[in-house]
Amino acid sequence: GEDVEQSLFLSVREGDSSVINCTYTDSSSTYLYWYKQEPGAGLQLLTYIFSNMDMKQDQRLTVLLNKKDKHLSLRIADTQTGDSAIYFCAESPSGNTPLVFGKGTRLSVIA
Amino acid sequence: KAGVTQTPRYLIKTRGQQVTLSCSPISGHRSVSWYQQTPGQGLQFLFEYFSETQRNKGNFPGRFSGRQFSNSRSEMNVSTLELGDSALYLCASSGDLDNEQFFGPGTRLTVL
Repeated sequence: GEDVEQSLFLSVREGDSSVINCTYTDSSSTYLYWYKQEPGAGLQLLTYIFSNMDMKQDQRLTVLLNKKDKHLSLRIADTQTGDSAIYFCAESPSGNTPLVFGKGTRLSVIA
Repeated sequence: KAGVTQTPRYLIKTRGQQVTLSCSPISGHRSVSWYQQTPGQGLQFLFEYFSETQRNKGNFPGRFSGRQFSNSRSEMNVSTLELGDSALYLCASSGDLDNEQFFGPGTRLTVL
C-alpha cells in the first residue's frame, strides 16, 4: 500500500538552512506536496512538485525530487523562528485524489 | 478570496452522542475532502465529495458519513461517538483543474 515516511524532529539555528526529508512507496505518485502546520491551525500548502520535475524553487523554499529513490526533500534557506512548525509531506496519484500524508517533521528553530 | 471555513472550531461531546461538522469551500471549488488528524494515526482521509456525490472514501466505519449541498458546502456526521473519535477534523477544497487542496482551520472534537 501507499506509505510516506518522514523523520519526526529537526532542530536548526536561526539563519541556517533546514532540510526536511521524505520517502514514499507509491510509484504512481504524480504529485508530491509540502504542507506546514502551526500550533492550533490547519494545513498551509507551501509548494508541490509534479513527478516529471527534479527541482522546484519558490523564494526560500527548494524542493528536490529523486524519483528513482522515491525521495523528496524540502530545503528552507535562512530559516527563521517563524518557520517553527510541523511540516508534512504528502503524495497523490493525481491532483484531485486523496492525499497520503507522512507523520510530519517538527522543525524547531533556535534563536 | 475567502479561504475554507469550518464550524464550529471546537466541540465537546460525550460517548454515544452524535455530531455534525460543517465546511464551506473556497468560492468556485466543487471538491471537498475530509481528513481526521490524531497524534497516533496522523492525517487520514475520510471521504471526498464532488458535485454532491461521494467520489472517494477512506477506510473508516459507517458511523462516519458526509454529504454535500448544491452550493458545495459539506457536512460530516459522526454517530455513536467513541473516545477514539477525539481528533482534529480538517476539510480541504480544490477546484476542478487544480492540483492543490486548500485546508480549513479544522474542528477540534473532544469526546468525553
